[in-house]
Amino acid sequence: EPEVTQTPSHQVTQMGQEVILRCVPISNHLYFYWYRQILGQKVEFLVSFYNNEISEKSEIFDDQFSVERPDGSNFTLKIRSTKLEDSAMYFCASSVGLEGTYEQYFGPGTRLTVT
Amino acid sequence: AQSVTQLGSHVSVSEGALVLLRCNYSSSVPPYLFWYVQYPNQGLQLLLKYTSAATLVKGINGFEAEFKKSETSFHLTKPSAHMSDAAEYFCAVSDGRTGRRALTFGSGTRLQVQP
Repeated sequence: EPEVTQTPSHQVTQMGQEVILRCVPISNHLYFYWYRQILGQKVEFLVSFYNNEISEKSEIFDDQFSVERPDGSNFTLKIRSTKLEDSAMYFCASSVGLEGTYEQYFGPGTRLTVT
Repeated sequence: AQSVTQLGSHVSVSEGALVLLRCNYSSSVPPYLFWYVQYPNQGLQLLLKYTSAATLVKGINGFEAEFKKSETSFHLTKPSAHMSDAAEYFCAVSDGRTGRRALTFGSGTRLQVQP
C-alpha cells in the first residue's frame, strides 16, 4: 500500500541553523501538507501546497518557513533560522485532491530538536 | 473558524469492553470529520471519515462513528476493545466544502486497554 515517507526520522540542530525536512507524498496525490506537534500539544496545521504553490497557510507559517516541491516526488519544509520553540514533531501529509476526497494520509514524522 | 473538543484526555477500558471516545466540533459550515489513530512512535493513521454521506461511518479495525448534527458530535465507538487498540486517538475537522482543506485537530484521547 502506498504511504507517505519522511526523512530524517530525527534531526538535531543548533538554534539559528537552517533545516530542511523532506517528504515523499503518495505518488498520485495532488495536495501536500505540513503539520507540527509540539510535545504535549495539539497537532497544528502549517501549510498546504497545490499546483506548485501555497494554497493555504496558518499564522504559524511565517517568513522563516518555506516549502518547495523541487522535483516530481519530494516535498520539503525549510526552516531558515531555527528557534528553540521550533522543537516539535513535523508531519507531512498528502491527499488525492479530487472533489469529495478530503482525507489526508500522514507520514511517520520527523522529530526536530533545536538546542 | 473551526474547533474540536475531545472530552477525556485519557480513557481506560477493560479488554472486551465498549470503547467510546468523544468528539464535539464547532464549524460555521457543514464539516468533514475524521478520526485518526497514532500508535507509539508512528504517524497518524486514518481510521474513518465523514463527508456528508451516511451518518454512521464504519472504519478500520472495527471502529465506527456517528455524525449527529443536532449534537455537533462525532463520537468514536468499538463494541469490544482489544489490547492492540491502545493508542492515541485524534478527532479532526475540515471545511473542505469551502475549498479549505486544513485539518483542525482535537487534543487527543489516549486509550488504555486493561487485560
